[in-house]
Amino acid sequence: EIMMTQSPATLSVSPGERATLSCRASQSVGNNLAWYQQKPGQAPSLLIYGASTKATGVPARFSGSGSGTEFTLTITSLRSEDSAVYYCQQYYSWPPVTFGQGTKLEIK
Amino acid sequence: EVQLLESGGGLVQPGGSLRLSCAASGFTFSTYAMSWVRQAPGKGLEWVSVIYSGARTTYYADSVKGRFTIFRDDSENTLYLQMNSLRAEDTAVYYCAKGHTCGSNSCFALFDYWGQGTLVTVSS
Repeated sequence: EIMMTQSPATLSVSPGERATLSCRASQSVGNNLAWYQQKPGQAPSLLIYGASTKATGVPARFSGSGSGTEFTLTITSLRSEDSAVYYCQQYYSWPPVTFGQGTKLEIK
Repeated sequence: EVQLLESGGGLVQPGGSLRLSCAASGFTFSTYAMSWVRQAPGKGLEWVSVIYSGARTTYYADSVKGRFTIFRDDSENTLYLQMNSLRAEDTAVYYCAKGHTCGSNSCFALFDYWGQGTLVTVSS
């Protein structure tokens, strides 16, 4: 089973600033890495897949990078509506499909 | 527009059973793998099960194997999860999620659309 580890657990950033979220896989997942955004009381939604490809309708402020075992989600020009929990997920080797534990992004 | 609408959640006693449904629309349901993903209160996401298009292939998380069964009715565009021998630790919001296609089976576990979820509470 591939373990996914996200850091930090919580991130507090001011509006207009940049947020950098990290995800590490216990073994290489190539670029088979997705990021999801989950706002309070809502279902998750796909943000990034293939490590760096934005899903339909995702603003340009969101970008993903990395390959192998180290991945980053970067959000620039932060807005209040970006407040959410962000999960990474590998779809390289499954079952089981595995998610990181999430990073809670707070906008100050 | 892709829509996934779950139903069937509720309160059930330990050891009981429940069947969840997910009504799909806005895409050719029969040609996509579908999954169930759950989220315990205040916790992260946990994948539960996947069923391929054609329904011949299914996989389960170890935590539910032997107790849960995923199946689909392509004529009704509906995904199901039959949950038996329920435990307190099965308490969660259950989401159905649509798999992606990319020319590789790996993308079946890339979830491009999610339903709003249905809450299952296992308690006496």
